[in-house]
Amino acid sequence: EAQVTQNPRYLITVTGKKLTVTCSQNMNHEYMSWYRQDPGLGLRQIYYSMNVEVTDKGDVPEGYKVSRKEKRNFPLILESPSPNQTSLYFCASSARTMNTEAFFGQGTRLTVV
Amino acid sequence: KNEVEQSPQNLTAQEGEFITINCSYSVGISALHWLQQHPGGGIVSLFMLSSGKKKHGRLIATINIQEKHSSLHITASHPRDSAVYICAVSVFGASGSRLTFGEGTQLTVNP
Repeated sequence: EAQVTQNPRYLITVTGKKLTVTCSQNMNHEYMSWYRQDPGLGLRQIYYSMNVEVTDKGDVPEGYKVSRKEKRNFPLILESPSPNQTSLYFCASSARTMNTEAFFGQGTRLTVV
Repeated sequence: KNEVEQSPQNLTAQEGEFITINCSYSVGISALHWLQQHPGGGIVSLFMLSSGKKKHGRLIATINIQEKHSSLHITASHPRDSAVYICAVSVFGASGSRLTFGEGTQLTVNP
């Protein structure tokens, strides 16, 4: 089954404690991206990757890091989480750029206290 | 002003009604996506289109590139259609491709 898998689904952490949210896709997609969703602000792009070892900033990259060492994985790293990073996060992939159908993960609800 | 504007923000309908959700955008795009988000949060892609019209079951999506406008129609609406519907545009620039989203339309269909 074609899918994008995020882990964990729910996470509560404390300010400053490094964390990683994993994202994996099984469709051999070139394009992967991360988004956060906040009430009143909608979905906003954090980072995206056009292919292995190619990443770029989206609209709200501050406080986040990503890596794309393998085609299937695109982890989101919060080196020093802060309460303003409390949000619902989504990973997505598509075959090439976002001019093809997008597949989304189930979301990760992160709370930073 | 947001690059992507959706209307209405909230919509309540009776089962069986014909529903239209509108999306206007102000930038040049390479594609437009309609997404559905159910309570519980998961997001599903309904349509990706760059011109014309697409139909899948009771859902129809249209786009007018010249007017920078798209519509999502639901025929014979059903309570299971209750969800948030999100319009997103794909903008392709020098540094790659990014998605910009509307704020979503909360649809409630009552039996």
